[in-house]
Amino acid sequence: GQSLEQPSEVTAVEGAIVQINCTYQTSGFYGLSWYQQHDGGAPTFLSYNALDGLEETGRFSSFLSRSDSYGYLLLQELQMKDSASYFCAVDAYGGSQGNLIFGKGTKLSVKP
Amino acid sequence: ETGVTQTPRHLVMGMTNKKSLKCEQHLGHNAMYWYKQSAKKPLELMFVYNFKEQTENNSVPSRFSPECPNSSHLFLHLHTLQPEDSALYLCASSQGDSNGYTFGSGTRLTVV
Repeated sequence: GQSLEQPSEVTAVEGAIVQINCTYQTSGFYGLSWYQQHDGGAPTFLSYNALDGLEETGRFSSFLSRSDSYGYLLLQELQMKDSASYFCAVDAYGGSQGNLIFGKGTKLSVKP
Repeated sequence: ETGVTQTPRHLVMGMTNKKSLKCEQHLGHNAMYWYKQSAKKPLELMFVYNFKEQTENNSVPSRFSPECPNSSHLFLHLHTLQPEDSALYLCASSQGDSNGYTFGSGTRLTVV
């Protein structure tokens, strides 16, 4: 079967750095995405890694190691507004279907 | 606003009712999706439409019936639902690859 594992909850303080890990077991792999979802809101796209390495976008970075079936989302200089759920998602099929398999999400709580 | 609009935002229906959820996108995307989001579970893909053609039906019960009249609109028709169908139903659109879905804010469905 297809599965993605990520921690259910993480707590950190403002200004800190937090890393949310994601390991996956899927029949195929074309890329790893990250989404952010605030309570009551829509999931929003954060990043996409198709190749090994680190991608940086402002305070957020995403890393992928295909040989380890592992990736992480790194959030720096945490702010209260970063409190949200973060989902990793694998494109296991590629091509035109673009179907994603999602993890259960990690609820990040940022404390003052 | 994300560019994907879902209505209604909230819906309470009895098990014998028939209702429809609506999704609309004006992003020029050619793929649209229905996902189900339940507490403590990953987002579950229900249906995929590429260029108005259904390309995936992820073993969804027949009490859920999708309709895609054009590339900008997607419906989910509901009838004789069960209480366990209560969840957040999310619509998303994309260019047909996995590099970034745009989600709507969802319809919070409660079946009583």
